[in-house]
Amino acid sequence: QKEVEQNSGPLSVPEGAIASLNCTYSDRGSQSFFWYRQYSGKSPELIMFIYSNGDKEDGRFTAQLNKASQYVSLLIRDSQPSDSATYLCAVNSRFTGGGNKLTFGTGTQLKVEL
Amino acid sequence: EPEVTQTPSHQVTQMGQEVILRCVPISNHLYFYWYRQILGQKVEFLVSFYNNEISEKSEIFDDQFSVERPDGSNFTLKIRSTKLEDSAMYFCASSAQGGSNQPQHFGDGTRLSIL
Repeated sequence: QKEVEQNSGPLSVPEGAIASLNCTYSDRGSQSFFWYRQYSGKSPELIMFIYSNGDKEDGRFTAQLNKASQYVSLLIRDSQPSDSATYLCAVNSRFTGGGNKLTFGTGTQLKVEL
Repeated sequence: EPEVTQTPSHQVTQMGQEVILRCVPISNHLYFYWYRQILGQKVEFLVSFYNNEISEKSEIFDDQFSVERPDGSNFTLKIRSTKLEDSAMYFCASSAQGGSNQPQHFGDGTRLSIL
């Protein structure tokens, strides 16, 4: 069973701080890793993805990947109250017939406090 | 910005009835997916669809489920005889290509309530 693990939180950070969200995965064959944001009652919204070891930055967001440790993280700089949401880590598994399956973690609830 | 659209936003159905959930993927996307999320639980993969065929399905996607692309724009999920445990949010997603680094874009979902 391919698993994606996240701390469910809630993770509370003050406004303006850096929020650090972590995710581990069990399938060493996983190739790509996605971070989605989900507000309560809404659909997952893609924030960014990463497939090479190291860091990838996009605005206030930085994704970090360490395939040897099977670990991926998301840093949110200058956290804002509007960043309060559940952050879903999703790991790709490729099909031989084409297409991909995303395996999601349970998500980490982030609360940015004024 | 192009988006995946789903209808209806909320569907209430009696147990045992058939239900069809509809999706319009992003227009130039080739790969289509259905996921579901039971309240308070993980998003779970159901099925992927490419070139008018199912390319992969999960153990959840049993004989009661089917998918179809009836025309050039719509992608549907049918549940033949609904059960109480089918109550969930159902999300349609699409991606432009099938490569492993292709992001999947999700629609707003259909909340399915089985009575």
